[in-house]
Amino acid sequence: DAKTTQPTSMDCAEGRAANLPCNHSTISGNEYVYWYRQIHSQGPQYIIHGLKNNETNEMASLIITEDRKSSTLILPHATLRDTAVYYCIVRPGNTGGFKTIFGAGTRLFVKA
Amino acid sequence: EPEVTQTPSHQVTQMGQEVILRCVPISNHLYFYWYRQILGQKVEFLVSFYNNEISEKSEIFDDQFSVERPDGSNFTLKIRSTKLEDSAMYFCASSPIGGNTIYFGEGSWLTVV
Repeated sequence: DAKTTQPTSMDCAEGRAANLPCNHSTISGNEYVYWYRQIHSQGPQYIIHGLKNNETNEMASLIITEDRKSSTLILPHATLRDTAVYYCIVRPGNTGGFKTIFGAGTRLFVKA
Repeated sequence: EPEVTQTPSHQVTQMGQEVILRCVPISNHLYFYWYRQILGQKVEFLVSFYNNEISEKSEIFDDQFSVERPDGSNFTLKIRSTKLEDSAMYFCASSPIGGNTIYFGEGSWLTVV
């Protein structure tokens, strides 16, 4: 799996957009970018994933640069409940059974 | 929305005792996983399981660990002789055929004393 680099922590004001960056400069052509988050002591929660196009779902948007070496997860209107550790992971997509390697992630603090 | 369920949510056991952690994966999923997270540390991969056999395991998953799918719905992790350092949150996960998005349960917190 390609290595990812994320900031250790970030702050965001409630109601504002949270933009979480991730560098994955060694990503290979068949690897997808996945984002998970872990709210304190709960199981990791899937957020979104993408290959090269930008993606949006009810939780977030994922912006992937054209060279695919970095991406940004956007929470459009952060709430206090979005305080969590956010993990950016790159791994093969559309084939099952591969282990997911979690790094340290970015600890996002949403403040009132 | 379908989810992965795990039992027990918390278990305290004596060192040297056997522990079985249980999981019910999402019903149409065919890939199953166990991960663990020691307090304050990263989420670590233990094992993946497909078609009734282990497909991949980490160095952590030594001979004291085993997994089983005893029936069509349950997926279990057995720790044969628990050690203090096995104290952790254990997460079960599953993913569907043809897809690589993994869905996690809420975890079983194991405390070895």
